[in-house]
Amino acid sequence: AQSVTQLGSHVSVSEGALVLLRCNYSSSVPPYLFWYVQYPNQGLQLLLKYTTGATLVKGINGFEAEFKKSETSFHLTKPSAHMSDAAEYFCAVSDSGGSNYKLTFGKGTLLTVNP
Amino acid sequence: GAGVSQSPSNKVTEKGKDVELRCDPISGHTALYWYRQRLGQGLEFLIYFQGNSAPDKSGLPSDRFSAERTGESVSTLTIQRTQQEDSAVYLCASSDYGPYNEQFFGPGTRLTVL
Repeated sequence: AQSVTQLGSHVSVSEGALVLLRCNYSSSVPPYLFWYVQYPNQGLQLLLKYTTGATLVKGINGFEAEFKKSETSFHLTKPSAHMSDAAEYFCAVSDSGGSNYKLTFGKGTLLTVNP
Repeated sequence: GAGVSQSPSNKVTEKGKDVELRCDPISGHTALYWYRQRLGQGLEFLIYFQGNSAPDKSGLPSDRFSAERTGESVSTLTIQRTQQEDSAVYLCASSDYGPYNEQFFGPGTRLTVL
């Protein structure tokens, strides 16, 4: 069975500071990895995904994440936080086999950006 | 274009009542998914539709939960004899068919069982 662990249910940063949201996964087969963002009263929106190929993936709004197989991690970063980045962020994994449609989510990390 | 829509946005019901939650996917998306998000938890997969068929119902918590999809479009999630532990946000998503096509999520239905 797959699982996703997001370290830190709440992360607070200052505007302009580095954003680092941590995600570790367990999977018995090569995974597909995703980061979603949820703004208040809105549905989840895909930020970026890793399927195959380059392990550093770039997404929308200046976010990027690096797949590190040896560390089973897929941490999300942004060099400089903006007030509009305040939201909840979810890491998710699916397997690359027959159940590749099924996403397993972490519990989420609430990002607060302070002026 | 229109995204995934869900109705109602909020539903308050009494324990033991039945509820129906509706999802309108993005037009043309063949795959549809239901997830549940309990307070402080990640999203839990409930069921997956490909067309009108549900090849994977493994996430449905009990036989009180059922879902159907018609016309390869609208889907309804029904919860019978609701219990307080059913209180959660129920999210619907749709996607094109394929191994890692983006799932587009609706805003969810917040269900509260008193």
